[in-house]
Amino acid sequence: AQSVTQPDIHITVSEGASLELRCNYSYGATPYLFWYVQSPGQGLQLLLKYFSGDTLVQGIKGFEAEFKRSQSSFNLRKPSVHWSDAAEYFCAVTRGSTLGRLYFGRGTQLTVWP
Amino acid sequence: DSGVTQTPKHLITATGQRVTLRCSPRSGDLSVYWYQQSLDQGLQFLIQYYNGEERAKGNILERFSAQQFPDLHSELNLSSLELGDSALYFCASSTRGRGGSGGYTFGSGTRLTVV
Repeated sequence: AQSVTQPDIHITVSEGASLELRCNYSYGATPYLFWYVQSPGQGLQLLLKYFSGDTLVQGIKGFEAEFKRSQSSFNLRKPSVHWSDAAEYFCAVTRGSTLGRLYFGRGTQLTVWP
Repeated sequence: DSGVTQTPKHLITATGQRVTLRCSPRSGDLSVYWYQQSLDQGLQFLIQYYNGEERAKGNILERFSAQQFPDLHSELNLSSLELGDSALYFCASSTRGRGGSGGYTFGSGTRLTVV
């Protein structure tokens, strides 16, 4: 069965520190992978996506993610966190060929200390 | 503005009542998806429509139904509401582009509170 695991429910970092949010997926077919961010009371904003090609993808707000097929992972990174990055982050996967339903992880809540 | 419009933004209603949530997809997108977000269940896929036809169904209760109209807007109907139906309901639309240019666009959601 398809699934997405975000092992860290809550992460706290200091402003300026580096960040890595983990995501592991289980999907039989070629996956399309996404990272979304949600601020309190807001909708889901796409940070970046991986469809094919270069396994290191760049997104908005200085985020990047690396697809590692051998580890079934798609971890999100940022070299220097800003206070405005505090939000909830969701990893998602779907079938590569059809853009069907998205399977979401449970999310990682990021707190940024000043 | 993401291009996906959901109305209303907030809805407060009593148990046992029926409500309708509306979603207008981004211009040109044929697929519409409905998701429910709650604290205990996270983001749950409810249902997908493609050009007016049901394409996939997820964890949608029998008390819930949806449809997509010829102009591609979609409505999610929730009936016999229970306290546990209180959640944020998202709509998304998708487009399939070449070379990885496709993707999903989410609306800002409808927050439903059942009292």
